[in-house]
Amino acid sequence: KAGVTQTPRYLIKTRGQQVTLSCSPISGHRSVSWYQQTPGQGLQFLFEYFSETQRNKGNFPGRFSGRQFSNSRSEMNVSTLELGDSALYLCASSHLSTNEKLFFGSGTQLSVL
Amino acid sequence: QQPVQSPQAVILREGEDAVINCSSSKALYSVHWYRQKHGEAPVFLMILLKGGEQMRHEKISASFNEKKQQSSLYLTASQLSYSGTYFCGTEGKGNSGYALNFGKGTSLLVTP
Repeated sequence: KAGVTQTPRYLIKTRGQQVTLSCSPISGHRSVSWYQQTPGQGLQFLFEYFSETQRNKGNFPGRFSGRQFSNSRSEMNVSTLELGDSALYLCASSHLSTNEKLFFGSGTQLSVL
Repeated sequence: QQPVQSPQAVILREGEDAVINCSSSKALYSVHWYRQKHGEAPVFLMILLKGGEQMRHEKISASFNEKKQQSSLYLTASQLSYSGTYFCGTEGKGNSGYALNFGKGTSLLVTP
């Protein structure tokens, strides 16, 4: 069974640009969560989607958005990039809902110059 | 809402024990533990759902005191493979959907 796949693995952008990251969950998993990981802050929750509906959103500005498609694949978008957006963005999937283990992808390393 | 982990870092010799603590100011529904090795994705260790219930993963165990809103991860007779960063994730009561708030992590290094 294939794991969680995130593309691209690395991205370099400049301030003001926008970026779209992609996540394919494990087959059969309907919940997809996104996390931002930085050395100083650890893992911070961005949002969670279940059956194409955003159920939870973390404390991030509106420049961060996401969506989920009918096949459970998810994308997140960051507009008007800032230097502070440089981070590892991790996607995680789970089968159904809460209290299940998360399966994380390897992440997309975003560098904003 | 971010849980607080302590210590921030710990260095052990192989065979020694360690305890990592996780506490929250918010009422908790569950506590989740993950380990991340350098350059890899976080990997699930265990979920604790009820107060006082202990779980075990190999020689790693954990407890969850719901009343104190605390969890502790116990690493017994540590092995070199235990090195990595440990994160606790908490899920608050009343949450809809799945939203884990992770601590900043505890870096563990096990030396020969």
